[in-house]
Amino acid sequence: ETGVTQSPTHLIKTRGQQVTLRCSSQSGHNTVSWYQQALGQGPQFIFQYYREEENGRGNFPPRFSGLQFPNYSSELNVNALELDDSALYLCASTITIGQSGEQFFGPGTRLTVL
Amino acid sequence: GQQLNQSPQSMFIQEGEDVSMNCTSSSIFNTWLWYKQEPGEGPVLLIALYKAGELTSNGRLTAQFGITRKDSFLNISASIPSDVGIYFCAGHTAGTASKLTFGTGTRLQVTL
Repeated sequence: ETGVTQSPTHLIKTRGQQVTLRCSSQSGHNTVSWYQQALGQGPQFIFQYYREEENGRGNFPPRFSGLQFPNYSSELNVNALELDDSALYLCASTITIGQSGEQFFGPGTRLTVL
Repeated sequence: GQQLNQSPQSMFIQEGEDVSMNCTSSSIFNTWLWYKQEPGEGPVLLIALYKAGELTSNGRLTAQFGITRKDSFLNISASIPSDVGIYFCAGHTAGTASKLTFGTGTRLQVTL
């Protein structure tokens, strides 16, 4: 139990729709990262938020966007959903921006795009 | 996106056997981490390594940070049924926010 929670657990959307996924960080952690994990693959970094600002982004298009709130909780928004967006979306919290890279993951949101 | 090379892809072993898996990269990392993921769950951090050559244990798990900083291995001794899952290595480089680059995973099955 990492203390990182995500909602919803599962979600089904159709192509072209928009989706918002939510994450609550572990208590005391001010940095949150989002990852996409396709079936049979390792997680791929989407972006990271620190003190409510984006602090690094992976190879994902602008229709993937995020927010971090003053209480360090976070949202991932995906617009114009495509079939390939079907995946497990994971958020991970880190105690602070730093060198260690130790990240603690939530259980994920399983998104299916039809 | 980039993924690190993990081997083997999958392993079927008997309870009580030792397991060894490794991870290689074309890039240098400052930190190597090993995670375990079970069905329907997020990855759980097992071991973090911070220095080239470092050997660290966590119960029956032992991991090493390769001296070239481009590889790492994980050993599990005396496997038990609850070791079943997918094991991922991940590398982190200072100055790249906290981005982790993950391996392709090793699926472990333990038979009684």
